Amino acid sequence: DVKVTQSSRYLVKRTGEKVFLECVQDMDHENMFWYRQDPGLGLRLIYFSYDVKMKEKGDIPEGYSVSREKKERFSLILESASTNQTSMYLCASSLGITHDYEQYFGPGTRLTVT
Amino acid sequence: GESVGLHLPTLSVQEGDNSIINCAYSNSASDYFIWYKQESGKGPQFIIDIRSNMDKRQGQRVTVLLNKTVKHLSLQIAATQPGDSAVYFCAETHAGTYKYIFGTGTRLKVLA
Repeated sequence: DVKVTQSSRYLVKRTGEKVFLECVQDMDHENMFWYRQDPGLGLRLIYFSYDVKMKEKGDIPEGYSVSREKKERFSLILESASTNQTSMYLCASSLGITHDYEQYFGPGTRLTVT
Repeated sequence: GESVGLHLPTLSVQEGDNSIINCAYSNSASDYFIWYKQESGKGPQFIIDIRSNMDKRQGQRVTVLLNKTVKHLSLQIAATQPGDSAVYFCAETHAGTYKYIFGTGTRLKVLA
C-alpha cells in the first residue's frame, strides 16, 4: 500500500516566519507534487519534482520554494509566510507522470498564518 | 470538518438511492479524466478514470459518463451508503503534460 505522510496535520504560524512542510512517501516514487487547496478553487500545483534535486515550477510558485535531497522526501518552504498562504497543503507522489500512473495524496497540512 | 468544503455545492441523497455528481470541464484538448473522493481530514483518493475515446466506464458501484460534445463529466454512485459522504471532484489532463486541472468539487451528504 502506497503511503504518503505529511509532517503536520495542523500548523499555525505568524506572518514573516519561515515555514517548512515535509512530505515523505514510502514507495520509491520518482515524482512528487505540492498542491494547495482553497475553498471554491480546485487543487493548484505549486511545485513538481521528478527526481532528487530536480524541480519544476507549477502554476502558483510565487512565495514558495522546495527541496528534494532524498527520493522519499519533498519539502515545501514558505520563506516568509503571509496571510494569503493560509490554506490546505497537499503532497502527492506517483511512479510516473503519464496517465497510467496514479497520484497518491497525503492527508494534508492545514496551515494558518496569522 | 475541513473548510475546503465550505463553499461547495451540496448534494443530499437518501441512503440507498443513486447519486449523480456533475462536472463541466474546461479544456477541449483534455483526453483523460479522473474522479476523486475526499473525506473529511483526508487527502483525495482516486475513484475511477476515463479516457476520451470512451463514453462510459463502470467500476464497483460507480459509473463515469463522458460527453465530449458539451464537455461534461458525471459520476454516478449506485445504492449510496453513509461511507460515500465526502467531497467529490473531477480532474482533467491531456497527453504531453503532467499537470491536471482540478474541479472545485461537490459535497455529497448521505441521509439515513
